[in-house]
Amino acid sequence: EDKVVQSPLSLVVHEGDTVTLNCSYEVTNFRSLLWYKQEKKAPTFLFMLTSSGIEKKSGRLSSILDKKELFSILNITATQTGDSAVYLCAGKNNNDMRFGAGTRLTVKP
Amino acid sequence: DVKVTQSSRYLVKRTGEKVFLECVQDMDHENMFWYRQDPGLGLRLIYFSYDVKMKEKGDIPEGYSVSREKKERFSLILESASTNQTSMYLCASSSIYRDRGQDGYTFGSGTRLTVV
Repeated sequence: EDKVVQSPLSLVVHEGDTVTLNCSYEVTNFRSLLWYKQEKKAPTFLFMLTSSGIEKKSGRLSSILDKKELFSILNITATQTGDSAVYLCAGKNNNDMRFGAGTRLTVKP
Repeated sequence: DVKVTQSSRYLVKRTGEKVFLECVQDMDHENMFWYRQDPGLGLRLIYFSYDVKMKEKGDIPEGYSVSREKKERFSLILESASTNQTSMYLCASSSIYRDRGQDGYTFGSGTRLTVV
């Protein structure tokens, strides 16, 4: 059965800390791994990863995929209170996208 | 700005009522999806549709049905609402074409449904 597992489920840090969020996946006919940030409403797209070892960056956020180990990480450096959100990881095949339970990140001032 | 619009932000319904959740997208996307989101369980796929009048069951279709009569609109129907269907419902759409961001989904803002 396909599954996506995220860890930790929740994390509390202080501003300026660096965090690493983990995502492991088992998805039949895997095509891509996606990260979303969800604040109060709709998840918003962060990254899509299709190739191993190629880091994608956007400001203080970066992500990388390991297709051999079926694993991805999302790094956030110099965290800010605005980074507080639920971060969702999803594995996509040809038909649909399977989501993990999410990691709730709280950044305290 | 492209959008997926869900008709209601909050809904309170009684057990046994028939409930319609509406979703409209203006991006001419082929694929549309309905998820429910519950704490600790993440997003779980209820139904999806890859074309008008086409539908496929997701992981948890029981107690739900869907309708896609027009490309831009995908409706989720709870035939007889029950308290275990209290949840956040998210609609999403995506394109089948790589040059239109094939793998990325665009989500609606969600409908928080409470069944009492």
